[in-house]
Amino acid sequence: AQSVTQPDIHITVSEGASLELRCNYSYGATPYLFWYVQSPGQGLQLLLKYFSGDTLVQGIKGFEAEFKRSQSSFNLRKPSVHWSDAAEYFCAVGARSGYSTLTFGKGTMLLVSP
Amino acid sequence: DSGVTQTPKHLITATGQRVTLRCSPRSGDLSVYWYQQSLDQGLQFLIQYYNGEERAKGNILERFSAQQFPDLHSELNLSSLELGDSALYFCASSVAQTGTGGYTFGSGTRLTVV
Repeated sequence: AQSVTQPDIHITVSEGASLELRCNYSYGATPYLFWYVQSPGQGLQLLLKYFSGDTLVQGIKGFEAEFKRSQSSFNLRKPSVHWSDAAEYFCAVGARSGYSTLTFGKGTMLLVSP
Repeated sequence: DSGVTQTPKHLITATGQRVTLRCSPRSGDLSVYWYQQSLDQGLQFLIQYYNGEERAKGNILERFSAQQFPDLHSELNLSSLELGDSALYFCASSVAQTGTGGYTFGSGTRLTVV
């Protein structure tokens, strides 16, 4: 079964600084990979997804993520963080073969300081 | 608005009671997924329905049950409620059975058991 690890529970970034949120997965092959964002009191919104092809994936709100097979990672990045990016971010993995639902990491809470 | 509608938004009930959470999937989506989100467990998959049939089961307690109706809306029934059942319950939907394109989430139902 697949699993996802987000090693950072909280991260604080200054507004305007760059951001990288880490995600590592465990799966026997290359999975489908997703990043979601959850603002307070809201549901999860899909930021971006990786299926195949170019390992650098562009998403909404200026986010991007890079799939690195050798490191089993799918880290989320943004070059310049805005105060409105403060939220919780979830990495998720889905299996390519057979059938399974998405497995989510425990999330990373992003705090943005002025 | 994601297109996935969950009602009610908030629910407060006493231990031992039974509640029903309702979800209407995004138009055109045939799969409905239920997740429980709590501080200690993160996002836990409960159950999935596809076009009226149960497709996958996760960490769903025997006290919990769900169904999907012919109009594709779904209900999650929670009975003999305990304090530990207090959580955010999310519904998500997708077009396909496997959800490999990602899920669309509703804004959740916050259940408080007192």
